[in-house]
Amino acid sequence: SQKIEQNSEALNIQEGKTATLTCNYTNYSPAYLQWYRQDPGRGPVFLLLIRENEKEKRKERLKVTFDTTLKQSLFHITASQPADSATYLCALGVSNFNKFYFGSGTKLNVKP
Amino acid sequence: NAGVMQNPRHLVRRRGQEARLRCSPMKGHSHVYWYRQLPEEGLKFMVYLQKENIIDESGMPKERFSAEFPKEGPSILRIQQVVRGDSAAYFCASQPSRENTEAFFGQGTRLTVV
Repeated sequence: SQKIEQNSEALNIQEGKTATLTCNYTNYSPAYLQWYRQDPGRGPVFLLLIRENEKEKRKERLKVTFDTTLKQSLFHITASQPADSATYLCALGVSNFNKFYFGSGTKLNVKP
Repeated sequence: NAGVMQNPRHLVRRRGQEARLRCSPMKGHSHVYWYRQLPEEGLKFMVYLQKENIIDESGMPKERFSAEFPKEGPSILRIQQVVRGDSAAYFCASQPSRENTEAFFGQGTRLTVV
């Protein structure tokens, strides 16, 4: 069956370090992959999108990589700040753009 | 430019009642998705609508659930004869077009069935 896996354990890092979150998938051939941030009690906020023919995407302190051979995406936050503490969700999009499938998210805690 | 508006933010229903959730997309957006999120779980796709059309409802239960997005007014997710298992957060997201894949989410409606 189709599966999207994100580390269910919280990631605790020190302020200023780089946070790296992982999204692995099986039995999908996604056309694109997105990363969202979700704070408690709020809706997800779009961060970055990377398409199947792209290896890497950057936006300010954020970087996403996409390896369709390994079926994995890595999401990096450099120079992390306590304000980056949140749950980060990856979502895989299908080629007909009808829907995207979410992982269960990884909670990031950045300590001052 | 207001974001995606969902109301109510919180909704309490007794078992057997109907729940009606509303979603007003961002201005200029004609594509709406509905997702459901259970505690400690990811968002599960329910339905994708374009104005006056249901494009993909493969994630929506066949019974008791329906969705619409009329020409005028908000998109509505309707749950008839609610059961305790329907308790969840329901999010809608909007996009300006099908291929523009940056989705803007609302703050969600938290449905509690008692």
